[in-house]
Amino acid sequence: AQKVTQAQTEISVVEKEDVTLDCVYETRDTTYYLFWYKQPPSGELVFLIRRNSFDEQNEISGRYSWNFQKSTSSFNFTITASQVVDSAVYFCALSEAFLTGANSKLTFGKGITLSVRP
Amino acid sequence: DTEVTQTPKHLVMGMTNKKSLKCEQHMGHRAMYWYKQKAKKPPELMFVYSYEKLSINESVPSRFSPECPNSSLLNLHLHALQPEDSALYLCASSPGTGGTVYEQYFGPGTRLTVT
Repeated sequence: AQKVTQAQTEISVVEKEDVTLDCVYETRDTTYYLFWYKQPPSGELVFLIRRNSFDEQNEISGRYSWNFQKSTSSFNFTITASQVVDSAVYFCALSEAFLTGANSKLTFGKGITLSVRP
Repeated sequence: DTEVTQTPKHLVMGMTNKKSLKCEQHMGHRAMYWYKQKAKKPPELMFVYSYEKLSINESVPSRFSPECPNSSLLNLHLHALQPEDSALYLCASSPGTGGTVYEQYFGPGTRLTVT
């Protein structure tokens, strides 16, 4: 069975600080996909990144960066120079091999509540 | 355009009422999903439709009845709900074609209160 652990539950930082959100996953599959979603107070989950198990390149998108390490089964997310608008709940999710005719299921971590203070 | 719309935004219903939640996407996605999310918890998958056919039902009680009238629309019919069914109901869609797992795009949700 697959599992996603986000050990941090709440993080509070001051604006402009860098912050790293940790994600550790468990799966028996060799093919899997990892995701990060952001859920601001409005409620909508916003897709941030998708990474497959064969692509270990780190990715940077503006102030966001992701570090994928298969050796430690981790997919960590760093926000550089945080802003108040980054305040949200962040979910890491895992999806194993796809099902025929449908996308497979997402297993979510419990989420990390990030508060960025001015 | 990566928009998924949901109506209504808020819904209050009694335990004997019948109501429906609606979800729409115009991205040509062929997989659509219903999730339930309680406060301070991650979303829980309820149903998956693939090419307008129900492909996954996560043992959801029959008082929740999904419907996919066409590839752009997804409904969730509610009947005889319990107060513990109060939650945020999220709809999502993804391309749904075989060969890979795509990201899901979520709507803003319907906040349901059962009285």
